[in-house]
Order: sequence, then C-alpha cells, then structure tokens
Amino acid sequence: DAGVIQSPRHEVTEMGQEVTLRCKPISGHNSLFWYRQTMMRGLELLIYFNNNVPIDDSGMPEDRFSAKMPNASFSTLKIQPSEPRDSAVYFCASSLRAGRIHEQYFGPGTRLTVT
Amino acid sequence: AQTVTQSQPEMSVQEAETVTLSCTYDTSESDYYLFWYKQPPSRQMILVIRQEAYKQQNATENRFSVNFQKAAKSFSLKISDSQLGDAAMYFCAYRSPYGGATNKLIFGTGTLLAVQP
Repeated sequence: DAGVIQSPRHEVTEMGQEVTLRCKPISGHNSLFWYRQTMMRGLELLIYFNNNVPIDDSGMPEDRFSAKMPNASFSTLKIQPSEPRDSAVYFCASSLRAGRIHEQYFGPGTRLTVT
Repeated sequence: AQTVTQSQPEMSVQEAETVTLSCTYDTSESDYYLFWYKQPPSRQMILVIRQEAYKQQNATENRFSVNFQKAAKSFSLKISDSQLGDAAMYFCAYRSPYGGATNKLIFGTGTLLAVQP
C-alpha cells in the first residue's frame, strides 16, 4: 500500500507569494494531521482533521495559514502571503481512528524555503 | 499541558553495541500512549515502537525495546546490536488516548544518534 503522499517535496518561493502544500492520506484513514518542523520549535501540530472536519486548529500560526480537506483523500495547507519565517519542513500524517491505538503515519515532508 | 523532554541532544554508539536514549514526560493523565519515532537524513518520520501506559510490560520490537517507568514518568529506548542504519534523529512522543483536540502527538526535541563503524 502507498503511504502518505506529499507534494511537492521541495518548494522555494519568494516572500509574499502564495504556497500550497498537498497531502494524500493513506486510503481508509479518517484522521489527518499537519505538523511543522523547525530548528527553533521542533515538531508541532498545526491542524488536525477527523472525517474531513477540522477538529483542532489551535496550532495554526496566524491567518496567513489555512488548511482544507475537501474529501477523504486530499488535503491542502496554504500560506498566503509567505514569509521567510515560514521556512520549515511540513509533514502530513494520517491515522485510522478506530479503537485505542490509531498510530500516526507520516509522509516524507515538504521542505519549504521562503527567500 | 503535557510536555516531553529529551535531555541528550546527541549520542554516539559503536556498531554492534547497545545504546539507551532517555525520555521523560509530564502529564496528569493516567492513561496515554508513548512512541519513539526515527528520522533518518531522508527526514521521513518512522515509527519505531509504542507503549500503552496501562500495560506494565515493556514493548519490544526486534532490536528495539523500551524501559517504561510510569511512576517516574520515564520512557527510554534501548537499541541493541546497533547498526549503521540506526544513525538518525530519534524523537520521543506522547499522545492522549482520547479523541478530539487531544489527539495530537507532543514531541520531544530529539536525540541525534551517531553509529561508529
């Protein structure tokens, strides 16, 4: 089975531009997470969806960030306008929220560089 | 709020030897999950092992095992017979078992493990 798929793997953009990161969760998984990894803050949750509905977006830094999950097989994280401090690795993870375990499986990440 | 602490920024081990990575956490919950994730240079996050707090038995996955001390809120990872492919950043993570907003993973700052040939 394919794992979590993220695109692009690398993104370089100029300050002020719009950036869209994409994620395809593992088929059958009903929970999706967006994490950000930086040297300063480590790994932190940005937003979490369950059955396509945002459950916790308290980690979204500011209004420049938005996330959508229009269906069970696709999610986007958009930054508009982008700033140099948004440079980080963005991970998407998915899990099957059934029973107690529901382990999270991570995608390969998107390395974003904003110049 | 829950916190996870990894006090060893870097560790080194000789190939075929054993190394233990430390992790402590703080929580007021009595039931939770603990995980160790491995992040090699490819930056892929790979689940290594998990522990359910209500289980007293320490989890084991091949060469990887944990020492879970619930009262001390300690969750260390032991890697036996270390291999060159074990070189990576290792993250300890905590998760509440409940749904809703508490479903997120809370990560430590990581331990960079080097394996010397």
